[in-house]
Amino acid sequence: EADIYQTPRYLVIGTGKKITLECSQTMGHDKMYWYQQDPGMELHLIHYSYGVNSTEKGDLSSESTVSRIRTEHFPLTLESARPSHTSQYLCASSAGELFFGEGSRLTVL
Amino acid sequence: GENVEQHPSTLSVQEGDSAVIKCTYSDSASNYFPWYKQELGKRPQLIIDIRSNVGEKKDQRIAVTLNKTAKHFSLHITETQPEDSAVYFCAVSLGSARQLTFGSGTQLTVLP
Repeated sequence: EADIYQTPRYLVIGTGKKITLECSQTMGHDKMYWYQQDPGMELHLIHYSYGVNSTEKGDLSSESTVSRIRTEHFPLTLESARPSHTSQYLCASSAGELFFGEGSRLTVL
Repeated sequence: GENVEQHPSTLSVQEGDSAVIKCTYSDSASNYFPWYKQELGKRPQLIIDIRSNVGEKKDQRIAVTLNKTAKHFSLHITETQPEDSAVYFCAVSLGSARQLTFGSGTQLTVLP
């Protein structure tokens, strides 16, 4: 089934750890996005990509980085996690309408 | 950049009543206006969208109206049901293929 898959769904880690949030989509979309959202709150765009080898920073400054080596894959990496990174991270893709993944809820202790 | 304001932040209505959520935007060149519904613990999902060449669009109990002159658009839900309870986000972009700027969300509670 065509969808966007995010792993892990939940992650609890200690300060200073490196983490990668995975996002894969099977819809063949060129455009992919990462949003940061505290529960029920505003969605903030932190990264986007319009195709392979194309990545841009979004409106909200983030210490995370992204890569787009394959069309279907758009991972997000935090080199050294801090408590301020605690949030939900939503991956999305688009060919017009925006489709969201189920999110990765990150807690940094 | 684009600035989107959404009101109200919370809205409680009795089951069967109507609910209206309004968004204003700043960039007059914006031409794509979707609405997303996010139930508790779930991902946001598109419920309706409108483009700038249309003034109103309806889908069963949900409708969206657009006033380009005043730069505002509204979501109307009629005959509300408990399952309509969720956070609703408006969004704006310069074309559906561009990145969206989201409003701050409205928590709608439908009281039985």
